[in-house]
Amino acid sequence: SAVISQKPSRDICQRGTSLTIQCQVDSQVTMMFWYRQQPGQSLTLIATANQGSEATYESGFVIDKFPISRPNLTFSTLTVSNMSPEDSSIYLCSVEFLLRDRDQETQYFGPGTRLLVL
Amino acid sequence: RKEVEQDPGPFNVPEGATVAFNCTYSNSASQSFFWYRQDCRKEPKLLMSVYSSGNEDGRFTAQLNRASQYISLLIRDSKLSDSATYLCVVNMRNQGGKLIFGQGTELSVKP
Repeated sequence: SAVISQKPSRDICQRGTSLTIQCQVDSQVTMMFWYRQQPGQSLTLIATANQGSEATYESGFVIDKFPISRPNLTFSTLTVSNMSPEDSSIYLCSVEFLLRDRDQETQYFGPGTRLLVL
Repeated sequence: RKEVEQDPGPFNVPEGATVAFNCTYSNSASQSFFWYRQDCRKEPKLLMSVYSSGNEDGRFTAQLNRASQYISLLIRDSKLSDSATYLCVVNMRNQGGKLIFGQGTELSVKP
């Protein structure tokens, strides 16, 4: 397993500003992901953070709005740019890990960042 | 149609009850299947994998039917601490390891 931390744990921001969320893992991992969970909803993948190259974004998410950095194998950041109240959500990072007994990959999640945009 | 669909909740059951959650997925190329548990205001945590042969972990039994594209989770002898939202999750390994989440089913176990 991996220990994943996120900063900040929560924030209240004004519309039009930007917030950068940090995700730190205690071991080197190849795959890191960023998800959003809006109130009362399940998780939606924003993008895959690729080390050494540009992130891969899912449909409906663009780099200008959610720029992502992945400078090394233990760290990533997600920026929520030019925020509006619709960006109020929980943002979670995750890392892929291998379940060795059946050779399956799944993901561990960080504790999340709760964002409220006023 | 959603890629992963779950029973609508919430499920309100007494302690000691047996409760079953169902889930269907639409993409036959889906390759790995999981149940995650999410407590209120917490991140999702892996509960168990789901295999075609069925697998059991204590009071929890998971089953996969690939032909019907159907996944289930059975909880026996429910405890108060089982109260949470249970997420059905599909791994699309041919899409870079992307996880697709169901909307979740809320379980509330009452004394």
